[in-house]
Amino acid sequence: AQKITQTQPGMFVQEKEAVTLDCTYDTSDPSYGLFWYKQPSSGEMIFLIYQGSYDQQNATEGRYSLNFQKARKSANLVISASQLGDSAMYFCAMSLLSDMEYGNKLVFGAGTILRVKS
Amino acid sequence: GAVVSQHPSWVICKSGTSVKIECRSLDFQATTMFWYRQFPKQSLMLMATSNEGSKATYEQGVEKDKFLINHASLTLSTLTVTSAHPEDSSFYICSASGGFVEETQYFGPGTRLLVL
Repeated sequence: AQKITQTQPGMFVQEKEAVTLDCTYDTSDPSYGLFWYKQPSSGEMIFLIYQGSYDQQNATEGRYSLNFQKARKSANLVISASQLGDSAMYFCAMSLLSDMEYGNKLVFGAGTILRVKS
Repeated sequence: GAVVSQHPSWVICKSGTSVKIECRSLDFQATTMFWYRQFPKQSLMLMATSNEGSKATYEQGVEKDKFLINHASLTLSTLTVTSAHPEDSSFYICSASGGFVEETQYFGPGTRLLVL
């Protein structure tokens, strides 16, 4: 069964600095997708970035980049130039792309609370 | 694009009543919708997956008679919490995707349910 592990319950970062949120995953399926979502205190889940298991390059979306290390089964999120508005819970998630029975069902990690200090 | 709405955003009800929560994809057709439950400071727990026009698939441990899901159209899915009790109080959040396995799930803003 697939599993997502986020080992950092909470992180602090100084405003304008970069921060890395860790995510490791476990699956024997060769086809999968990795996602990062941001959940502010309002509760909405905001999609940040996606990485497919066959993508050759690391995904980037503005200040977000995904450090994808397939051999280590890690998919860390890097946020550059942190802003106060980045304070939120961040979830790493995985879907199995070859599992047609479940479509793109997501498995979530426990989450990491990020606090940006001014 | 990829906007998902959820209504109501919060609801307070008496024990024993039923509560219906709507999830709508506003600018795309959602072949598949997902319903999650989230307790404070915890991760999302998938309750069920619904495909338009077919019965929902419930996760292990989720009572399908308690949590009725209807995915009547490509833009609307509803979750009805029947005979709600205080232990059903939680944050319920839906997501929608176009149905392709590699597609991203886009989430609604969530519904906070408090059962008195």
